[in-house]
Amino acid sequence: DIVMTQSPDSLAVSLGGTATINCKSSQSVLYSSNNKNYLAWYQQKPGQPPKLLIYWASSRESGVPDRFTGSGSETDFTLTISSLQAEDVAVYYCQQYYNFPLTFGGGTKVGIK
Amino acid sequence: QITLKESGPTLVKPTQTLTLTCTFSGLSLSTSGVGVSWIRQSPGKALEWLALIAWNDDKRYSPSLESRLTITKDTSKNQVVLTMTNMDPVDTGTYYCVCRRPGTNNWLDPWGQGTLVTVSS
Repeated sequence: DIVMTQSPDSLAVSLGGTATINCKSSQSVLYSSNNKNYLAWYQQKPGQPPKLLIYWASSRESGVPDRFTGSGSETDFTLTISSLQAEDVAVYYCQQYYNFPLTFGGGTKVGIK
Repeated sequence: QITLKESGPTLVKPTQTLTLTCTFSGLSLSTSGVGVSWIRQSPGKALEWLALIAWNDDKRYSPSLESRLTITKDTSKNQVVLTMTNMDPVDTGTYYCVCRRPGTNNWLDPWGQGTLVTVSS
């Protein structure tokens, strides 16, 4: 199984500030044949199911604000939330879909300072 | 618009078999590329992928749970059923069914609202 490790476990950011969440995979999730990273990011608010934010490591899902940016390659990935809004308070998860079983990171809780 | 809804018992006893049904609309499991996964989340914990069934009846399971899981589909009813045998209190959590849309890969969207299953005697 590919193990996904997120850091930090939690962080608090001032409104309007920037949140940076890291995700590391135990093996590369980059397919050399198509040069795509098989990594997605999700946002989960309390009492709600997760919502897809980013796929292919950096492609924003339709309707997701452009303050959410995914970056990275192979084994190291980052989700950056710029100009943090109160509505961004949530837990964020990374997920690899390079192979089965699909696996998730442990989550990063983002709050307001 | 694609919607999914999970249904099943809210309480099961240890050693019993859990049967969950995912009923969806806005897509068909006869369409090439479509898949439905089950994901669970223990209270306050992270997400755990359990199983996937695809339009062509390809089935994938979590290796750690494979001996206890069975996933099936009824295309005519737009339903996917997950059974999990020998339930234990550690299996308590919210169970989600999630779509893989045609033309996408194995990222997960959209999600059902989830159903909370408690395992207790």
